[in-house]
Amino acid sequence: NAGVTQTPKFQVLKTGQSMTLQCAQDMNHNSMYWYRQDPGMGLRLIYYSASEGTTDKGEVPNGYNVSRLNKREFSLRLESAAPSQTSVYFCASSAKGGNYGYTFGSGTRLTVV
Amino acid sequence: EDQVTQSPEALRLQEGESSSLNCSYTVSGLRGLFWYRQDPGKGPEFLFTLYSAGEEKEKERLKATLTKKESFLHITAPKPEDSATYLCAVQALGSGNTGKLIFGQGTTLQVKP
Repeated sequence: NAGVTQTPKFQVLKTGQSMTLQCAQDMNHNSMYWYRQDPGMGLRLIYYSASEGTTDKGEVPNGYNVSRLNKREFSLRLESAAPSQTSVYFCASSAKGGNYGYTFGSGTRLTVV
Repeated sequence: EDQVTQSPEALRLQEGESSSLNCSYTVSGLRGLFWYRQDPGKGPEFLFTLYSAGEEKEKERLKATLTKKESFLHITAPKPEDSATYLCAVQALGSGNTGKLIFGQGTTLQVKP
């Protein structure tokens, strides 16, 4: 009963470094999402994958790339980290259409110095 | 532009003091409105989905209601363990089967014993 698993939980990067945030779900959900959460800004959608084999940009995609590796896994990559990408990142999944709400992971707290 | 606004930003209550949180939304056709609870350092946890004006849902001390322009989360006789940030989100009809949600900034509730 793991739900949505994100790794790592914490990460500190230097400006210009790259990294990949991993996300996996075991609920057989079709759709997966990456959000970032910043104080006063709420949750903002970075990228999403409505179904296996598809990915689309959300509200704030610049500086990020994603890969839907299979139905279970959806990764987020920062190619050249910037201080503005300091945030808490959440992965979520939902059944097709999202009518029954998201299941969120526990988040990755990323600091870029 | 689709938008979600929550008020107040923060709310302090004494244990047993009932109150309501507000979520106002502007969306080009509502597919669903969602409430989540988020504890510090954790991912949001799904509470309710509301689909049409007049609909109500309850869970323990929480009751969510929906009108054509806003939703309320009523908290009856709150306890300290109800302290959390409550997030509201909407899914627009135009989102199709993507499941994309637009989140408000949240209301942080503190219940003092």
